[in-house]
Amino acid sequence: GAVVSQHPSWVICKSGTSVKIECRSLDFQATTMFWYRQFPKQSLMLMATSNEGSKATYEQGVEKDKFLINHASLTLSTLTVTSAHPEDSSFYICSARSEGHGYTFGSGTRLTVV
Amino acid sequence: QKEVEQDPGPLSVPEGAIVSLNCTYSNSAFQYFMWYRQYSRKGPELLMYTYSSGNKEDGRFTAQVDKSSKYISLFIRDSQPSDSATYLCAMSVIKAAGNKLTFGGGTRVLVKP
Repeated sequence: GAVVSQHPSWVICKSGTSVKIECRSLDFQATTMFWYRQFPKQSLMLMATSNEGSKATYEQGVEKDKFLINHASLTLSTLTVTSAHPEDSSFYICSARSEGHGYTFGSGTRLTVV
Repeated sequence: QKEVEQDPGPLSVPEGAIVSLNCTYSNSAFQYFMWYRQYSRKGPELLMYTYSSGNKEDGRFTAQVDKSSKYISLFIRDSQPSDSATYLCAMSVIKAAGNKLTFGGGTRVLVKP
């Protein structure tokens, strides 16, 4: 089956630094990748949608200059949290979509900003 | 009103019982329906997906879709403690490659040994 690899699985960083999260589709090419944020005991909140080679489309209320998304190839998308602050601490999950594989999720990244 | 409504639970059942989960939705354009299972601190795992009204069965899981009532259900037979997780319904308007999923809030399920 389709596999999406997300790294790192957890990261702790100091306030003011930037953190990069990678999302790779291992055995298929993803036409679209999605980035979500999830707070404890809540559902997934879509942050942005990205298609390979084009700019990401951000959901309302998501700061595009703070959450930088790069989708350089059909198998790799990255989310960079710039100048992270404690309120950015959350669980971030990527999802990759292709015509033959539907939506496949990564295992998530737990970000803690101290 | 949210586009997709789902009871947050928790839903507690004894081992071996049938777990019944459901979601209602308001957008009649939704055509593609999915159920995901999410363990704590993990990404969602696809359990079932369906395009059409009616029932779809896969092992212990049965998904039902009633488009006329805008209501979907997931049944888990012979529940096991390992089924304890949060179950999320999701749906999308089909076809467009960039189509995003709209999730329900998730139902936490506890299966007690």
